[in-house]
Amino acid sequence: AQSVTQLDSQVPVFEEAPVELRCNYSSSVSVYLFWYVQYPNQGLQLLLKYLSGSTLVESINGFEAEFNKSQTSFHLRKPSVHISDTAEYFCAVMLRGAQKLVFGQGTRLTINP
Amino acid sequence: GAVVSQHPSRVICKSGTSVKIECRSLDFQATTMFWYRQFPKQSLMLMATSNEGSKATYEQGVEKDKFLINHASLTLSTLTVTSAHPEDSSFYICSARVTGTLDYGYTFGSGTRLTVV
Repeated sequence: AQSVTQLDSQVPVFEEAPVELRCNYSSSVSVYLFWYVQYPNQGLQLLLKYLSGSTLVESINGFEAEFNKSQTSFHLRKPSVHISDTAEYFCAVMLRGAQKLVFGQGTRLTINP
Repeated sequence: GAVVSQHPSRVICKSGTSVKIECRSLDFQATTMFWYRQFPKQSLMLMATSNEGSKATYEQGVEKDKFLINHASLTLSTLTVTSAHPEDSSFYICSARVTGTLDYGYTFGSGTRLTVV
């Protein structure tokens, strides 16, 4: 069975600093990978995804993630964060051909002015 | 595109009563919807997979008789928490995806915060 590990439960950073949220997965077969963002008392919004092709994927608000097959990782990065990026971030995987999403534990990103 | 509408966003009910949560796919047909439960500061736990026109598939440890799921049409799935108790208080989220494509990933509803008093 596949699993997802987000190594950091909380990441505090200063505004305009770079950030990396780590995600590692375990699976014996090929997977699709996702990052979701959750603002307080809201559902999840898709931030970016890796399905195939280029291993570097980007979102419209400056986040990017790189699929590293050898390290089974899909870390999320942003070169300069804003206060509005404060949220909970979830990494998720899905086996190719399956329907279920398996989520990591989540990382709370807190941006300090 | 691919919007999922979930209602209500918040509900407070008395212990012993039942609460129904609705999840609608607004601009696509969802043959499958998923129901999650999220405890404070924790990840999402999949409760059940809801299939249009057939019985839901529940995850291990989820009580079928307590969490009734109905998926009577391609755009509507409902979760009814029966005989609710304070320990059922939680954030419930539904999700779905456009069949045949992952371009939108899985689209999530905005969630329902249930408080049982």
